[in-house]
Amino acid sequence: SSELTQDPAVSVALGQTVRITCQGDSLRSYYASWYQQKPGQAPVLVIFGKNNRPSGIPDRFSGSSSGNTASLTITGAQAEDEADYYCDSRDSIDNRVIFGGGTKLTVL
Amino acid sequence: EVQLVESGGGLVQPGGSLRLSCAASGFTFSTYAMTWVRQAPGKGLEWVSSISDSGDNTYYTDSVKGRFTISRDISKNTLFVQMNSLRAEDTAVYYCAKFSTTVTTPVELWGQGTLVTVSS
Repeated sequence: SSELTQDPAVSVALGQTVRITCQGDSLRSYYASWYQQKPGQAPVLVIFGKNNRPSGIPDRFSGSSSGNTASLTITGAQAEDEADYYCDSRDSIDNRVIFGGGTKLTVL
Repeated sequence: EVQLVESGGGLVQPGGSLRLSCAASGFTFSTYAMTWVRQAPGKGLEWVSSISDSGDNTYYTDSVKGRFTISRDISKNTLFVQMNSLRAEDTAVYYCAKFSTTVTTPVELWGQGTLVTVSS
């Protein structure tokens, strides 16, 4: 299967740690990237590769991977982290981009 | 400043055509693969098409094959997508985006998007 599965919604208390997961067979051979999208805005890359953050992304964002599951962890979630989060991967045969369905993160 | 600016969106009738453009600036356009990603109202991200740095290789999601054509003009630092035989289900915000290098690398930069509405 070339699909990526994410939980539709996750919530976290302010200052606590939350993990958002992404499952799919393609993750066994490709590191997921993670994108944050706030309402009315374009997505922003927050994690890529094994666990890399683009310049300007706070270090409370981290990534990990095991088998067919990739995870995005926010340690000490802030109110401004409330957003939709998408993972992506690639189809190993034809290099299609595959997106997960997205997870809506609510910071309580 | 590294930037992608889309244009060309609008209202079009079913069966009609539209060409979207994406003006790139702040980086060497000819050395990066590029992509179009769309997002229907209230829905998630959906990959549409990608093109290699040289333009020699193109990729499409099944639902647009034969109807959409991605291209790039390196002399104008511009990415295009020609959309024909448009359907209601093509209604979405279309984002132009830049890969880190090739199509297998992360999508590191996104434009602000342009809205395409297919309706009679």
